[in-house]
Amino acid sequence: GAVVSQHPSRVICKSGTSVKIECRSLDFQATTMFWYRQFPKQSLMLMATSNEGSKATYEQGVEKDKFLINHASLTLSTLTVTSAHPEDSSFYICSARGWTSGINEQFFGPGTRLTVL
Amino acid sequence: AQSVAQPEDQVNVAEGNPLTVKCTYSVSGNPYLFWYVQYPNRGLQFLLKYITGDNLVKGSYGFEAEFNKSQTSFHLKKPSALVSDSALYFCAVRANAGNNRKLIWGLGTSLAVNP
Repeated sequence: GAVVSQHPSRVICKSGTSVKIECRSLDFQATTMFWYRQFPKQSLMLMATSNEGSKATYEQGVEKDKFLINHASLTLSTLTVTSAHPEDSSFYICSARGWTSGINEQFFGPGTRLTVL
Repeated sequence: AQSVAQPEDQVNVAEGNPLTVKCTYSVSGNPYLFWYVQYPNRGLQFLLKYITGDNLVKGSYGFEAEFNKSQTSFHLKKPSALVSDSALYFCAVRANAGNNRKLIWGLGTSLAVNP
């Protein structure tokens, strides 16, 4: 089946620094990528949707200048948390949608645990 | 407005017993319905989906779900639970037409299978 990878799986950083998370579709071309945030024991919250080569569409309440999303190719999207603060600590999950085996489907990465000290 | 409800925060079941995790939805038109499982500190794993056709959908790890249009439900079931099934389960729905085709997520149900 289709695979989506995320790197790093876990990151700890100091307050005020920026952190970049990579999301790759390994065996299919992702026309659309999604970034989610998940708080402990809660559901996924969609942060933004990005289509390759165009600007990301952010959900209401998500700061686009703080969460920079780049979808430069059909297999790679990055989320950069700029000037991270402790309240940004969370589990970030990317998802990629594309055609694989004749089906347009959405697949999820394993997630990145961000801890801001 | 589109929505998904998982009415139970937690479900407890003894190993070997059948399990049901409930999901109801509200969406315009015909829905695409999904179940995902999440193990601790892991991403989501796809279990099964309903797009069209047979109302009973079989998925991974012995799970199945039944689409009930009249009750707008898509409950997840397994005939015999395993301790290793203990995880967080999410139901999701997406409209199959229109401009808003994002996945709408339930809040999740924590399943605990006791030995």
